[in-house]
Amino acid sequence: GAGVSQSPRYKVAKRGQDVALRCDPISGHVSLFWYQQALGQGPEFLTYFQNEAQLDKSGLPSDRFFAERPEGSVSTLKIQRTQQEDSAVYLCAASGSVTDTQYFGPGTRLTVL
Amino acid sequence: AQSVAQPEDQVNVAEGNPLTVKCTYSVSGNPYLFWYVQYPNRGLQFLLKYITGDNLVKGSYGFEAEFNKSQTSFHLKKPSALVSDSALYFCARPHGNNRLAFGKGNQVVVIP
Repeated sequence: GAGVSQSPRYKVAKRGQDVALRCDPISGHVSLFWYQQALGQGPEFLTYFQNEAQLDKSGLPSDRFFAERPEGSVSTLKIQRTQQEDSAVYLCAASGSVTDTQYFGPGTRLTVL
Repeated sequence: AQSVAQPEDQVNVAEGNPLTVKCTYSVSGNPYLFWYVQYPNRGLQFLLKYITGDNLVKGSYGFEAEFNKSQTSFHLKKPSALVSDSALYFCARPHGNNRLAFGKGNQVVVIP
């Protein structure tokens, strides 16, 4: 595709619900990143995939967060038993290498009530 | 240690005046540097990057940035600001496995 797409754009969840956020990256971009952006802050790294391999998940804040990219293209970020502090914008980005530009999707704004 | 720092919270500038958004970087690691812009309820849009070569980098929407090794800075500039340039600007740098480490962001307000 021409760009990175994410769905849903907005998600409201009740505390304790599970949510799944989808990222559809640019075709051919082997690297995929998830970031979390709290209100008024810069994005913070969550996890990184190269093709289907999750090479770095050091930024995931707890074991309630889980990400997968089974076929090396679409990725899903899952948050189990959501808490209010999970409310944020979740951004997905794709790139080719460390010097290549990361192209971001529009994000999913998650609000946990 | 923070990879990049954006010392100002908000930058106010009159339309038509030069715009500068400041970014400094820590000396350790490679000096690859990026600028992104974020409009309300939108994802980050790439503006420009410095990898190597010319210190003056030209990017999208008339923006440019100068890599200054002696001052460890990579300030974003635009000669004549537009009201539509009002947005949140982020400086960033690769850290570890390609992931980007972002500054806190600068809110730019262009006053008509």
